[in-house]
Amino acid sequence: DAGITQSPRHKVTETGTPVTLRCHQTENHRYMYWYRQDPGHGLRLIHYSYGVKDTDKGEVSDGYSVSRSKTEDFLLTLESATSSQTSVYFCAISTGIRPYSSSGNTIYFGEGSWLTVV
Amino acid sequence: DQQVKQNSPSLSVQEGRISILNCDYTNSMFDYFLWYKKYPAEGPTFLISISSIKDKNEDGRFTVFLNKSAKHLSLHIVPSQPGDSAVYFCAATSNYGGSQGNLIFGKGTKLSVKP
Repeated sequence: DAGITQSPRHKVTETGTPVTLRCHQTENHRYMYWYRQDPGHGLRLIHYSYGVKDTDKGEVSDGYSVSRSKTEDFLLTLESATSSQTSVYFCAISTGIRPYSSSGNTIYFGEGSWLTVV
Repeated sequence: DQQVKQNSPSLSVQEGRISILNCDYTNSMFDYFLWYKKYPAEGPTFLISISSIKDKNEDGRFTVFLNKSAKHLSLHIVPSQPGDSAVYFCAATSNYGGSQGNLIFGKGTKLSVKP
């Protein structure tokens, strides 16, 4: 499981409230990612980080912000949750020194955080 | 504009037979491809990958074939087992273009292996 822990695993929140999801890794990997999975869309990248305080936007970043103040933690924040952000959120890490280069460099996913915005 | 397409939402196969899952891509810059398996209520699990310099990679019962000219890859599972029943995601990435090599996923194919 590459030492990835997501919290909370399940959360129900009200529209307009802020929500923070935490991803914690134990192996000091440089690259970390947040994806969301929705029916009919597969997994889509929200934000990623390539080091402490180095982050960038992914495909579906609107409404989300991230922070990485320590190598082991990557936080995803919904500043004002909306019903369209009801989803399953997956954190991932890359085991290589580059995000993807060749065999032996793999992306591992956490177990997911189920978020419902009512 | 889907760059990675899995056109079969579902596939049903008899135990012991071959399962073939297909994936097409449109971006010729993709140079590394991965397959993930996902069970309900769990995170995706890495299964097998292939670099664009190869046309085949094998790992036990799982083989991935890459046809660059057709921009097509397939995952073969032989023999299929009931425990293989899951959603399979194809993913692609490129180490060029400044995208940090982020994974682009297909929508997934749900495989059901019947005993």
